[in-house]
Amino acid sequence: AQSVTQLDSQVPVFEEAPVELRCNYSSSVSVYLFWYVQYPNQGLQLLLKYLSGSTLVESINGFEAEFNKSQTSFHLRKPSVHISDTAEYFCAVSPISGGYNKLIFGAGTRLAVHP
Amino acid sequence: EAQVTQNPRYLITVTGKKLTVTCSQNMNHEYMSWYRQDPGLGLRQIYYSMNVEVTDKGDVPEGYKVSRKEKRNFPLILESPSPNQTSLYFCASSGLASGANVLTFGAGSRLTVL
Repeated sequence: AQSVTQLDSQVPVFEEAPVELRCNYSSSVSVYLFWYVQYPNQGLQLLLKYLSGSTLVESINGFEAEFNKSQTSFHLRKPSVHISDTAEYFCAVSPISGGYNKLIFGAGTRLAVHP
Repeated sequence: EAQVTQNPRYLITVTGKKLTVTCSQNMNHEYMSWYRQDPGLGLRQIYYSMNVEVTDKGDVPEGYKVSRKEKRNFPLILESPSPNQTSLYFCASSGLASGANVLTFGAGSRLTVL
């Protein structure tokens, strides 16, 4: 079985400041890792994913996440946030074997960017 | 435009009155699933389908039914809704061609059961 813990339910930050959203997971099997973003009144959108290879993955809008296998973490970072980054962010894992369509989500972290 | 379409987006109903939330995707995806989102709990999978006529329970299937008679459609049925099914529901799909478990979500259906 897998579980995902997002360590902060809410993160307030000022515009242009750096931010880190923390995610830890537990799994007895190898997993893929994902971050999804949910803007107000919208569905979830894939932000970035780690499947294999380089442990540092990047999104097109400046976010990055690093897979740390020893610490079972996949923290999301951005060096300078914008007002438009205000959203809820979900970390998720999926078993590599037999896990198609099966994502286990964390409870979410609400990022609020203030001017 | 590739998308997952859910209807209705908003619904208020009463306990025991059967309802169906429809979901349709235009990407020829094999896999479809339903999630419910509740504050502090994230998203939890209700049911999923790996292809036509193949469905299985997720983590919270009680009180729900699904069917997959066509590849593009995956309706969620609440035979006798109860207040604890008040939630935000998301349909999602994914395809073998897009790689591992990359889900495309619908915009959500907010259901209130009185």
